[in-house]
Amino acid sequence: AQSVTQLGSHVSVSEGALVLLRCNYSSSVPPYLFWYVQYPNQGLQLLLKYTTGATLVKGINGFEAEFKKSETSFHLTKPSAHMSDAAEYFCALLRSARQLTFGSGTQLTVLP
Amino acid sequence: DAGVTQSPTHLIKTRGQQVTLRCSPKSGHDTVSWYQQALGQGPQFIFQYYEEEERQRGNFPDRFSGHQFPNYSSELNVNALLLGDSALYLCASSLWGSRTGELFFGEGSRLTVL
Repeated sequence: AQSVTQLGSHVSVSEGALVLLRCNYSSSVPPYLFWYVQYPNQGLQLLLKYTTGATLVKGINGFEAEFKKSETSFHLTKPSAHMSDAAEYFCALLRSARQLTFGSGTQLTVLP
Repeated sequence: DAGVTQSPTHLIKTRGQQVTLRCSPKSGHDTVSWYQQALGQGPQFIFQYYEEEERQRGNFPDRFSGHQFPNYSSELNVNALLLGDSALYLCASSLWGSRTGELFFGEGSRLTVL
């Protein structure tokens, strides 16, 4: 079965600190992986995606993620958190039927 | 270039009623998918429409039905509403032939069932 697990439903960091949001996946085929961000009362915005090729993927707003097949992970990082990064983040896996399976989300709080 | 638009943005219904939600896909997209996002959870796939046919369906009862029109817009209908149907309903559009399957989401319709 294809699934996504996000470790930590809530993460708090200080402004300027490293952001690390964890995502592990389970897939019987090479995965296509995505990170989405959701601001309060809004829809989902794509941050970045991994399909094939380079395992370090750069996205918008200074975020990046590294695909590690050996660890079945796709963790999201940002070197320096901004207050505007406070939001909920979802890791997702593209299933063979063109549907996304989402993790349960990680709420990021940025402390001043 | 308009993105994915959904209507209404908010609505309140009572148990047993029926609701229709609407979605216009991003310009150039031909596929519409619907997701349900309950409070504090990740979105769950409901179904997907392409060429006016339901192509895939998630684990949702028959009370959930949909339609796609020739202009690619779509409707989601939910009959006999239950309290548990309260959620944010997200529409996502994509291109059927896209290899990467990237989805573009609307801002959602928040349904409250009382």
